[in-house]
Amino acid sequence: DAGVTQSPTHLIKTRGQHVTLRCSPISGHKSVSWYQQVLGQGPQFIFQYYEKEERGRGNFPDRFSARQFPNYSSELNVNALLLGDSALYLCASSLGKSGADQPQHFGDGTRLSIL
Amino acid sequence: GENVEQHPSTLSVQEGDSAVIKCTYSDSASNYFPWYKQELGKRPQLIIDIRSNVGEKKDQRIAVTLNKTAKHFSLHITETQPEDSAVYFCAAASGGSYIPTFGRGTSLIVHP
Repeated sequence: DAGVTQSPTHLIKTRGQHVTLRCSPISGHKSVSWYQQVLGQGPQFIFQYYEKEERGRGNFPDRFSARQFPNYSSELNVNALLLGDSALYLCASSLGKSGADQPQHFGDGTRLSIL
Repeated sequence: GENVEQHPSTLSVQEGDSAVIKCTYSDSASNYFPWYKQELGKRPQLIIDIRSNVGEKKDQRIAVTLNKTAKHFSLHITETQPEDSAVYFCAAASGGSYIPTFGRGTSLIVHP
């Protein structure tokens, strides 16, 4: 079975541009979460979607948005890119809302570099 | 919100030694504590987790302990091997969402 897949793997953008990152969850998983991981730190929660509805939002500005599609795949959009947005963006999926009996499984991430 | 502190930031051991990584959390409502291993350039992988109704959990060479009163939990790796070298993250989650807050990570280096 395929794991969580993310695209693209690497991306280079300039300040002010926008970017769309994509995630396909493990087959059967209905919950998708997005994280930002800056070098040397742990992942920071951005969004969680379950059954196409936003179920959680971290402390990120409105430039960050996301959505989940009927097939449970998801997109993360970031507008007006800043240098500080350079990071590894991770997607994680779980069967239902993330729970103690439904651990999250991560994708390999998208490495976003802002010039 | 939840705050998770993780120590040490770097841990260097000889092959065969034990390694211990400690985390503290601030939100007494946290009740789920996963540990992830992230090798260089790879995805974080869940290696073990524990719920608040359990004080200890073991899986082969890996064990996790939880002290709810003191709000700290620890990862223990015995008989370390070079392939255990990676960054380890602890996390704490609470409530129905179980959205984890991660620590800053511990870089474990196992010397052959």
